[in-house]
Amino acid sequence: DGGITQSPKYLFRKEGQNVTLSCEQNLNHDAMYWYRQDPGQGLRLIYYSQIVNDFQKGDIAEGYSVSREKKESFPLTVTSAQKNPTAFYLCASSGGTDTQYFGPGTRLTVL
Amino acid sequence: AQSVTQPDIHITVSEGASLELRCNYSYGATPYLFWYVQSPGQGLQLLLKYFSGDTLVQGIKGFEAEFKRSQSSFNLRKPSVHWSDAAEYFCAVGADGNKLVFGAGTILRVKS
Repeated sequence: DGGITQSPKYLFRKEGQNVTLSCEQNLNHDAMYWYRQDPGQGLRLIYYSQIVNDFQKGDIAEGYSVSREKKESFPLTVTSAQKNPTAFYLCASSGGTDTQYFGPGTRLTVL
Repeated sequence: AQSVTQPDIHITVSEGASLELRCNYSYGATPYLFWYVQSPGQGLQLLLKYFSGDTLVQGIKGFEAEFKRSQSSFNLRKPSVHWSDAAEYFCAVGADGNKLVFGAGTILRVKS
């Protein structure tokens, strides 16, 4: 089945730790995106990548980092500089159109 | 800058009743518009999209939406709601660089 996978589904982080969220797609899409979702605020764009080895900051990139070494993979690292990281994180990808398809999400909780 | 407003945070309808979820956008050119649905703890599923052409767009699960340029609106409708439609619904507009700008969402509750 073609689609987008995110792992883990639940992630717990201690104060001061960096954690990495995985996003993989087998849709052969060039573009990939990371969003943060908080209750009542919709989705906010963290980073996006339109091609391998290139990525751009979104609206709320501070405290996050990404890499895009392979077309299929776009991992997101939540660093200790992110002061309020507890949220639901969604990865998406898109092909030749503007339509984005989403993964199932990772819920990150800071202990 | 592009923006999307979903005026209703919560809507409650009875099962079998009709539904309309409102969406207003701000965008200088002809917009690409989307509706997504999200069940609790899940990712977003695409319901329908408008790029150009016929302003009445049909989607999955019996949903449709109408693009009205004069009102900058893209409201989502369904003639008869089922209990399984209870979820959160997001309207989005395509922005520069193949990005999407999302509204804050509308939570739909269905009464039996």
